[in-house]
Amino acid sequence: EVQLVESGGGLVNPGGSLRLSCAASGFIFSSYSMNWVRQAPGKGLEWVSSISSSSSYIYYADSVKGRFTISRDNAKNSVYLQMNSLRAEDTAVYYCARDRLVGGTTVAYWGQGTLVTVSS
Amino acid sequence: DIQMTQSPSTLSASVGDRVTITCRASQSISSWLAWYQQKPGKAPKLLIYKASSLETGVPSRFSGSGSGTEFTLTISSLQPDDFATYYCQQYNSYPRTFGQGTKVDIK
Repeated sequence: EVQLVESGGGLVNPGGSLRLSCAASGFIFSSYSMNWVRQAPGKGLEWVSSISSSSSYIYYADSVKGRFTISRDNAKNSVYLQMNSLRAEDTAVYYCARDRLVGGTTVAYWGQGTLVTVSS
Repeated sequence: DIQMTQSPSTLSASVGDRVTITCRASQSISSWLAWYQQKPGKAPKLLIYKASSLETGVPSRFSGSGSGTEFTLTISSLQPDDFATYYCQQYNSYPRTFGQGTKVDIK
């Protein structure tokens, strides 16, 4: 069974930093692209970032480019999101998600999410 | 960036109704479109991929159609478990954009 467990969320001051982690199990982690998707309170879904299986290809939403960094450690079956220069508008539940198939497709598996609150 | 526009934003329906949600892309995305269902406090669930392919385990009352820029999600007979918010997402190119969502509530 595919399992994705996010951690690292919490309350942070504007301008601060936070690192989210996602621990994966139940599949061959090193074969799949991974993603972060967020949802602000009461709002819709927003794709944040994607990383290919070998970290060769990395993509970001314009809203986070230059501030967030996605990375992965295939030996630890984990993907990370380093978030710097946080703003109030980054407040959201952040979901870790796996592509449906090897080779890059849409997202099919989601974690339970971790809440990030940016406020003073 | 490709913009995804869903309509309607809210839909009121009764159990047993046939429900249709539309998603329009600002440029052609071929069939690279997915539909998700989300319930309050829960992660989204994949229903349809590649515009019309039903994800494993999803009831057959859900169906998707379309290609290019116009897509639809149809629920043939709405069930109590289907009251939720539905999102389309294009995965033709990055950034992978979502529609704004369609909330299906009880009439």
